[in-house]
Amino acid sequence: AQTVTQSQPEMSVQEAETVTLSCTYDTSESDYYLFWYKQPPSRQMILVIRQEAYKQQNATENRFSVNFQKAAKSFSLKISDSQLGDAAMYFCAYRAYGGSQGNLIFGKGTKLSVKP
Amino acid sequence: DGGITQSPKYLFRKEGQNVTLSCEQNLNHDAMYWYRQDPGQGLRLIYYSQIVNDFQKGDIAEGYSVSREKKESFPLTVTSAQKNPTAFYLCASSIVGTGVPYEQYFGPGTRLTVT
Repeated sequence: AQTVTQSQPEMSVQEAETVTLSCTYDTSESDYYLFWYKQPPSRQMILVIRQEAYKQQNATENRFSVNFQKAAKSFSLKISDSQLGDAAMYFCAYRAYGGSQGNLIFGKGTKLSVKP
Repeated sequence: DGGITQSPKYLFRKEGQNVTLSCEQNLNHDAMYWYRQDPGQGLRLIYYSQIVNDFQKGDIAEGYSVSREKKESFPLTVTSAQKNPTAFYLCASSIVGTGVPYEQYFGPGTRLTVT
């Protein structure tokens, strides 16, 4: 069974600095998708970034980028120029490639604090 | 605006009572999901449905039931058999397709407290 591990329960970053959140996963599949979701204090889950495993190029979305290391089964999230609004829980998630397996498998999350 | 609505935001029930959580989406998505979130845990899948009148158990389906009579609606019933029902419940939806990196869209959640 696939598993997702986030080894950092809490992280802290100074405003305007850069922080990297770690995620590792375990799967025997070669094709799959990986996601980072943000959950602010409102508890609304928001997609931050997605990565297709067959793509070698790391995904980027404005200040958010990933470091996808397929062989190492690692999928870290880098937040550049951190802002106060980035403070939230961040969840890494895995989804199988096949359409019949649409559900996401989540890590336990990393709580990010941003210091002014 | 398209989206997912969950009601109510907060729900209180006495132990031994069944309670139904509402989830409605107007995104025309085929698939819908229910997750449970506890402190220090990630989201865990309760049930999911990829088509009307069909649904599958997730990892923690015991003590829960669902129905999918309409594409837009996927209500979750927390039965008295659920031993620890107090939690935050999130509903999500997505399109269905192989080879498509479709994301799941989430509702605002319902906080259920059972005493």
